Amino acid sequence: KAGVTQTPRYLIKTRGQQVTLSCSPISGHRSVSWYQQTPGQGLQFLFEYFSETQRNKGNFPGRFSGRQFSNSRSEMNVSTLELGDSALYLCASSSLPGDIQYFGAGTRLSVL
Amino acid sequence: AQSVTQPDIHITVSEGASLELRCNYSYGATPYLFWYVQSPGQGLQLLLKYFSGDTLVQGIKGFEAEFKRSQSSFNLRKPSVHWSDAAEYFCAVAEGGSNYKLTFGKGTLLTVNP
Repeated sequence: KAGVTQTPRYLIKTRGQQVTLSCSPISGHRSVSWYQQTPGQGLQFLFEYFSETQRNKGNFPGRFSGRQFSNSRSEMNVSTLELGDSALYLCASSSLPGDIQYFGAGTRLSVL
Repeated sequence: AQSVTQPDIHITVSEGASLELRCNYSYGATPYLFWYVQSPGQGLQLLLKYFSGDTLVQGIKGFEAEFKRSQSSFNLRKPSVHWSDAAEYFCAVAEGGSNYKLTFGKGTLLTVNP
């Protein structure tokens, strides 16, 4: 069974641009969560989606948004990029909310 | 709000030595507890979890962890470390129910000397 797939693996953007990251969960998993990992703040929860609905949201500005499609694939979008948005963005999937989360390899975003 | 503290930022051990990584959590009820490992350039791999029941849990790669409610701790142990165990280790806590999300510690970087 394939694991969680995140694309692209690496991205370079400039300040003010926007970016979209994609996550395909493990087959049969219906819940997707997103996390941001930086050296200073560590791993921080962004949001969780289940059945195309956002169930939980972390403490991030509105520039960070996401969505989930009917096939459980998820995307997150960051608008008006700032230098501080440079991070590893990790997606995790679980069968249902509250089940064990399995992580993808992440997308490393660099904002110049 | 729940929080996780990993007091050791960096630990160095010799190959074959025993290992204990510390984790303390702050949470009102009985939490769900996890240890994840991250190799350079990779995502997080689940080592083990504690939801309820036996307070000593076994995980993959020979790791185990013990939940001690009185100390609010969930320390990770391994009797004999291998060079391939060098990585960063994260302890995490989650509430259950409708507000399920993982709160992570800052991580402990493990270096293994030959």
